[in-house]
Amino acid sequence: KQEVTQIPAALSVPEGENLVLNCSFTDSAIYNLQWFRQDPGKGLTSLLLIQSSQREQTSGRLNASLDKSSGRSTLYIAASQPGDSATYLCAVRAGSNYQLIWGAGTKLIIKP
Amino acid sequence: DTGVSQDPRHKITKRGQNVTFRCDPISEHNRLYWYRQTLGQGPEFLTYFQNEAQLEKSRLLSDRFSAERPKGSFSTLEIQRTEQGDSAMYLCASSPPGPPGNTIYFGEGSWLTVV
Repeated sequence: KQEVTQIPAALSVPEGENLVLNCSFTDSAIYNLQWFRQDPGKGLTSLLLIQSSQREQTSGRLNASLDKSSGRSTLYIAASQPGDSATYLCAVRAGSNYQLIWGAGTKLIIKP
Repeated sequence: DTGVSQDPRHKITKRGQNVTFRCDPISEHNRLYWYRQTLGQGPEFLTYFQNEAQLEKSRLLSDRFSAERPKGSFSTLEIQRTEQGDSAMYLCASSPPGPPGNTIYFGEGSWLTVV
């Protein structure tokens, strides 16, 4: 059974710092992995999607990497800003199944 | 706006009542998903439609839950005889035709509070 874990559960850093969020999964047979952002009480916004054949994806100040063999993905945020404060969730899609299996998220606070 | 739309955004109901949520996906998206999320947790998959066909259904979905997508466009999620444990945010999402690797787009969610 696929399980997704995100550590740490919460992170608070000063504005301007570069930071890394971690996501691990137990079954390496994934179809893809997606990082989402969720603001309090809101829905989820897709940030980056990495296919199983890819190693990383970049969008602006965000870079996501994928290492299937070790069951890990990281989300790197460069030059953090207070507007980056949110909960970041990763989700994996296993095989041709359309379900996403989710981590519990990392709550990120960027202090001005 | 062509995003995923959910209605109502908030619903407070008494235990034992029935509630229904509606989801309008992005036009031309043939795939539609329902998830449930409680505070501090990631979403849990409930069900998946491709066009009007319900192709996947989680074991989490008890007999009190039913979802429909009669014309392959909007979808409804009904919860009968609500219980306090049903209190959560119900998220709808859609994705375009193609392989499972397409990005999935979420609505703002419908908050349910059962009192």
